[in-house]
Amino acid sequence: QKEVEQNSGPLSVPEGAIASLNCTYSDRVSQSFFWYRQYSGKSPELIMSIYSNGDKEDGRFTAQLNKASQYVSLLIRDSQPSDSATYLCAVLHQAGTALIFGKGTTLSVSS
Amino acid sequence: GAGVSQSPSNKVTEKGKDVELRCDPISGHTALYWYRQRLGQGLEFLIYFQGNSAPDKSGLPSDRFSAERTGESVSTLTIQRTQQEDSAVYLCASSLEPYNEQFFGPGTRLTVL
Repeated sequence: QKEVEQNSGPLSVPEGAIASLNCTYSDRVSQSFFWYRQYSGKSPELIMSIYSNGDKEDGRFTAQLNKASQYVSLLIRDSQPSDSATYLCAVLHQAGTALIFGKGTTLSVSS
Repeated sequence: GAGVSQSPSNKVTEKGKDVELRCDPISGHTALYWYRQRLGQGLEFLIYFQGNSAPDKSGLPSDRFSAERTGESVSTLTIQRTQQEDSAVYLCASSLEPYNEQFFGPGTRLTVL
């Protein structure tokens, strides 16, 4: 059973702080990793993709991948109240084309 | 239209009725996916299309569920004899090619009374 695990939270951080979201996955042959943001009542919005070990930065977002540890994370710098949402980790397995999603971590940024 | 579109946005039906949900992918995207999200739950994969063929139907929960796609455009997900457990948001996503980034539509919220 291919699984993607996330801490459900809520993760609460003050405005301006760094939010750190973590995800582990079970299938060692996974190749592609994605972070989606989902506001309440809305559909998932792609914010980051990462394919190679190391860090990938895009604005205030940094994705980190460690395939040996089967671990992927998302850092949000200078967190804003508008970042308050559920963050979904998704993994694309080599054997298929469907994304396997974690259940998401709820982030709350207080002003 | 820049993004994935879905219709209707909301559908309320009675148990036992059939429903059809529609998805228009991003123009030029060859791959199309259907997912389901029950209230408070994660996303579950239902079916994947490459062009108008469906190489992966492994997520369809029962034979009451079926889907088709016309060429590399519109897809329809049909649920026959709906049950209350079918109540969920049905999400469609498309990608330029398989294994690429997937972009989601706004979803159809289905309520079975």
